[in-house]
Amino acid sequence: AQSVTQLGSHVSVSEGALVLLRCNYSSSVPPYLFWYVQYPNQGLQLLLKYTTGATLVKGINGFEAEFKKSETSFHLTKPSAHMSDAAEYFCAVSDSNTDKLIFGTGTRLQVFP
Amino acid sequence: GAVVSQHPSWVICKSGTSVKIECRSLDFQATTMFWYRQFPKQSLMLMATSNEGSKATYEQGVEKDKFLINHASLTLSTLTVTSAHPEDSSFYICRPELAGGQSSYEQYFGPGTRLTVT
Repeated sequence: AQSVTQLGSHVSVSEGALVLLRCNYSSSVPPYLFWYVQYPNQGLQLLLKYTTGATLVKGINGFEAEFKKSETSFHLTKPSAHMSDAAEYFCAVSDSNTDKLIFGTGTRLQVFP
Repeated sequence: GAVVSQHPSWVICKSGTSVKIECRSLDFQATTMFWYRQFPKQSLMLMATSNEGSKATYEQGVEKDKFLINHASLTLSTLTVTSAHPEDSSFYICRPELAGGQSSYEQYFGPGTRLTVT
């Protein structure tokens, strides 16, 4: 079975500071990993994904994530936070066999001026 | 990117009534549809997976007789919440999977339907 753990339900940073949102996964098969952003009362928007190949993945809005198999991690980072980055972020895992997405519990990012 | 719509975007209904939520993939065909539920301040939980023309597969703990899923065509799936109760109040989100092996793992989601049962 696959699972995702997001450490920290809330993260607060100052505008311009580094953003680091943590995600660890468990999977018995090579995982596909995703990060999504959700703004209030809206659906999910894909930020980035890792399936195969390069382990450092760049996404939209300046976000990137690195797949580290040895650490079973897929942490999301952004060098400089903007006020508009304030939202809920979800890490998710799936595999090529089922296409089912299993979500983490989410991390709410707050950005202070 | 692919366009997915859900209707209605929000609905209020009385306890005991039924509500139908539609999910349409507007510019691609979806052989598989995933339905998720998201309670306030919580993550998305997969409710069921349906394939066009066949019965849905429900996740453990999800009542199949309460949450009726119909996936009659490659562009439309419906979720009907029967005999709704206040605890069914939630945000329901669909996710169609592209047909023909073209998913490319883009994972398109519908914009969601907020259901409030009074």
